Amino acid sequence: QKEVEQDPGPLSVPEGAIVSLNCTYSNSAFQYFMWYRQYSRKGPELLMYTYSSGNKEDGRFTAQVDKSSKYISLFIRDSQPSDSATYLCAMRNNAGNMLTFGGGTRLMVKP
Amino acid sequence: GAVVSQHPSWVICKSGTSVKIECRSLDFQATTMFWYRQFPKQSLMLMATSNEGSKATYEQGVEKDKFLINHASLTLSTLTVTSAHPEDSSFYICSARDARTSGRRETQYFGPGTRLLVL
Repeated sequence: QKEVEQDPGPLSVPEGAIVSLNCTYSNSAFQYFMWYRQYSRKGPELLMYTYSSGNKEDGRFTAQVDKSSKYISLFIRDSQPSDSATYLCAMRNNAGNMLTFGGGTRLMVKP
Repeated sequence: GAVVSQHPSWVICKSGTSVKIECRSLDFQATTMFWYRQFPKQSLMLMATSNEGSKATYEQGVEKDKFLINHASLTLSTLTVTSAHPEDSSFYICSARDARTSGRRETQYFGPGTRLLVL
């Protein structure tokens, strides 16, 4: 079993839809939780980060962490075709620098 | 914002040759840099952690004699793929951690990646 599980998709939604992306993990030591967006043939771009449990909102993006369930989510409101990309969750423990990535979910937003 | 560059962005080489990839933090100092490889439609796989002034730490299964890492300064790390073979063809991505880490910010920034094709 992988340390971080993420549905690979692809997830196809119409423009304007609310998108929900999720990851589950098994390591209870993880404290920092990140979401990266990666366009084809580009490096990952940090979208959101959250420390420990809770919600964080930034524009159309909301990140949620539920440590009791070992479950994190990224919500995208009013999705746009430009949101079409692969979304990677990543996490690390309190002390380490090393990120553990999920496999990525490919999202397609159709106009 | 913090910017990490990689050079070259893509390279094609013959089997048996060596290829050097540079990773630079442009507006911050990075005591730690990471090297990943990514195969098509797969996630990033950490290859090694590079600390300035010391030897890199390689992940299990990564040959340190094949993937040479040099972190000579606080803004530059290089990955050399020695005696490259077609199976080394991949997308190589570096990331750099800002040395001015404070509080609970995420301070690891990724480069744009280098696409390597070995013929």
